[in-house]
Amino acid sequence: AQSVTQLDSHVSVSEGTPVLLRCNYSSSYSPSLFWYVQHPNKGLQLLLKYTSAATLVKGINGFEAEFKKSETSFHLTKPSAHMSDAAEYFCVAAGSDSWGKLQFGAGTQVVVTP
Amino acid sequence: NAGVTQTPKFQVLKTGQSMTLQCAQDMNHEYMSWYRQDPGMGLRLIHYSVGAGITDQGEVPNGYNVSRSTTEDFPLRLLSAAPSQTSVYFCASRLAGVRGAYNEQFFGPGTRLTVL
Repeated sequence: AQSVTQLDSHVSVSEGTPVLLRCNYSSSYSPSLFWYVQHPNKGLQLLLKYTSAATLVKGINGFEAEFKKSETSFHLTKPSAHMSDAAEYFCVAAGSDSWGKLQFGAGTQVVVTP
Repeated sequence: NAGVTQTPKFQVLKTGQSMTLQCAQDMNHEYMSWYRQDPGMGLRLIHYSVGAGITDQGEVPNGYNVSRSTTEDFPLRLLSAAPSQTSVYFCASRLAGVRGAYNEQFFGPGTRLTVL
């Protein structure tokens, strides 16, 4: 069975410093992987997606993620945090069934301090 | 495009009441789904549909019912509300894809439901 683990439930960074959100997945094949962001009281917005093309994926708002098959990881990074990056982030994998059922990680809450 | 729309945004029910959460999309997406979000648990799939007239259960279907008579609409019915159904509900839609290249899901703004 496929699963997604976000290794940190909370991350606190200072404005202007790098952000690293860690995600590991377990799967018997190369899944489609996504990072979504959810600002308070809002819906989920796609940051970026990996679908077996380039292993380094660039997304919106300066975020990028690297797919590492050997480590079964898909960590999200940003070189310089902005106050507007404060939100919850979800790592998501598309399932092995024909429908592509999504498996969500539990989420990482990011706090950005001035 | 309005994208994925949900109504109502907020709802308070008493135990035992029934109601329908509405979801519509104008992107001609084949796939639609309902999730609930509870603190520390990410999003969990309630029901999904791969096309008009076709629905299936997700991981937490008990107490909920769905139907899909058109491509655009995918309502979620709570049959007899219970306090355990207090949650935020999200509807989502996407185009069909293939393994290894699934398309992104587009999410609605959510419905906050409280059951007293």
